[in-house]
Amino acid sequence: DAGVIQSPRHEVTEMGQEVTLRCKPISGHDYLFWYRQTMMRGLELLIYFNNNVPIDDSGMPEDRFSAKMPNASFSTLKIQPSEPRDSAVYFCASSPLPGGPSGNTIYFGEGSWLTVV
Amino acid sequence: QQQVKQSPQSLIVQKGGISIINCAYENTAFDYFPWYQQFPGKGPALLIAIRPDVSEKKEGRFTISFNKSAKQFSLHIMDSQPGDSATYFCAATTHGSSNTGKLIFGQGTTLQVKP
Repeated sequence: DAGVIQSPRHEVTEMGQEVTLRCKPISGHDYLFWYRQTMMRGLELLIYFNNNVPIDDSGMPEDRFSAKMPNASFSTLKIQPSEPRDSAVYFCASSPLPGGPSGNTIYFGEGSWLTVV
Repeated sequence: QQQVKQSPQSLIVQKGGISIINCAYENTAFDYFPWYQQFPGKGPALLIAIRPDVSEKKEGRFTISFNKSAKQFSLHIMDSQPGDSATYFCAATTHGSSNTGKLIFGQGTTLQVKP
């Protein structure tokens, strides 16, 4: 299995620009998560989907952030307009159905390193 | 009540020593407690996990100790090796269908094992 695939791996953008991060979850996983990691705040859950439907977006910091999952194999996290304080590593993760052999194991991608200057 | 508090923030251990990382939680509805290991430039990966119906789980050199009454759990790494140098996160979640997989992470512990 290829694992969770994220792109881009690194992005440097100017303040005010739109940023789109992409994710391909592991095939067959019904849950998809977007996390943000910073030194100050650690790992924060931004939003998660079940069967392509957003379940909990309470972690999305503000209206500048939006996430979509148009189908089971693709999700995007968009920041518009971007600000320097958005600089962080953004992780996408996926998980199989609850109660399955893997239980609640969440499989993380390698992250998208975003720098907003 | 949703927080998971982790300590220490950083830890330096000599090769062959025991590394101990502690976590505490408030929400008694949590029923699944995984530990994740993260190497630089990589995403976190599941290391070991425990449910509250047992007090200890061991996998190789890694052991989780769980104290339900104290709402605390800890990771012990026996015979620590330089290859164990990484950041470790404890986490907690409820297994209910509406919250499945919504992990609440601790702040992380950076472990350095010196040769």
